Amino acid sequence: LAKTTQPISMDSYEGQEVNITCSHNNIATNDYITWYQQFPSQGPRFIIQGYKTKVTNEVASLFIPADRKSSTLSLPRVSLSDTAVYYCLVGYNDMRFGAGTRLTVKP
Amino acid sequence: NAGVTQTPKFRVLKTGQSMTLLCAQDMNHEYMYWYRQDPGMGLRLIHYSVGEGTTAKGEVPDGYNVSRLKKQNFLLGLESAAPSQTSVYFCASSYPRQAGNTEAFFGQGTRLTVV
Repeated sequence: LAKTTQPISMDSYEGQEVNITCSHNNIATNDYITWYQQFPSQGPRFIIQGYKTKVTNEVASLFIPADRKSSTLSLPRVSLSDTAVYYCLVGYNDMRFGAGTRLTVKP
Repeated sequence: NAGVTQTPKFRVLKTGQSMTLLCAQDMNHEYMYWYRQDPGMGLRLIHYSVGEGTTAKGEVPDGYNVSRLKKQNFLLGLESAAPSQTSVYFCASSYPRQAGNTEAFFGQGTRLTVV
């Protein structure tokens, strides 16, 4: 099973773009890459999912290079409400979370 | 739609007691998952199910059993609770990977304390 490595924490300021990179060197051919957001005392919430290249939705973009050994979640123009823990997952049927990245957005 | 509902939301158990956590989803999802989250940590997969009548072990299955007798329900059992099982338990459900988008929906969690 692919393991993921993310920075433990990141700080940013309101209005900035935030990029969180996840390493998954042992990703399998059929694995997907998925990102979740979690606020305190809540269950995680789906942000975005991709297999290769670039995926964009209304809240984020996901960049995946050709070798798929890493991925970058991009959050445009963050606000205070984006302060949360962000998890990168790789896998097929079983979803396994890593330690996550604690993002703190400052005013 | 209620989404994913976990019962109970809070529980205190004595060491050695047993209990069952219920997860119910109304989205007709094939896949269901049970996780535990300890303070300041990420979620760890306990067991999961890819369909009615099937279950599989995750990362930390010891001390837990599960059953998926109905598609909409996924039960997590603790046969003999231990203080190390004090945690917040989350249930999730999703469509199968073959369906494409496999966004998982999570319940609000069950906070379990074993004394």
